[in-house]
Amino acid sequence: DAKTTQPTSMDCAEGRAANLPCNHSTISGNEYVYWYRQIHSQGPQYIIHGLKNNETNEMASLIITEDRKSSTLILPHATLRDTAVYYCIVRVGGTSYGKLTFGQGTILTVHP
Amino acid sequence: GAVVSQHPSWVICKSGTSVKIECRSLDFQATTMFWYRQFPKQSLMLMATSNEGSKATYEQGVEKDKFLINHASLTLSTLTVTSAHPEDSSFYICSAILAEAYNEQFFGPGTRLTVL
Repeated sequence: DAKTTQPTSMDCAEGRAANLPCNHSTISGNEYVYWYRQIHSQGPQYIIHGLKNNETNEMASLIITEDRKSSTLILPHATLRDTAVYYCIVRVGGTSYGKLTFGQGTILTVHP
Repeated sequence: GAVVSQHPSWVICKSGTSVKIECRSLDFQATTMFWYRQFPKQSLMLMATSNEGSKATYEQGVEKDKFLINHASLTLSTLTVTSAHPEDSSFYICSAILAEAYNEQFFGPGTRLTVL
């Protein structure tokens, strides 16, 4: 699976959009970009994933560059409960072997 | 839907004892479950892949005789930490694959193990 690079930490004001970047310059054509987050002392929570096109769900939007070498997770209106570690993971999707390799992630702190 | 539970949520035990942690998929059948370990201020590390009805596949460096995994049914996998020592104190997290959701992983809430 391709390696990802994320900033160690980011801050965001409550109510504003949080834009979390991820670099995955060695991504292969059949690899998807996944985002999970982990609130302190809880199990990770799936947020969103995509292959080429931008994706949106009730939690967030995922913007993938045309060359697929980087992506941005957008939380449109961050709340205090969005404070967590956000993990960007690249792996082959749609396979029966769903192994996920977690990096260090980005610690997002949402402040009042 | 796609809820994964773990029991217990936390456990304290004496050094040398064995501890069993259960992972259940509550509303779906999971042919594959994963076990992760997370030390303080570190990321999740995959320990093993558990497939129903077969032996678990362990990641490099994980002792299979120390971390016994049993996946006896499509909704239950157990991790037993045998002869636990203080260095085994960690946050243990399981996940299960939901085939109907393109093999997405859903994680349990984790189990905090403290070995005295």
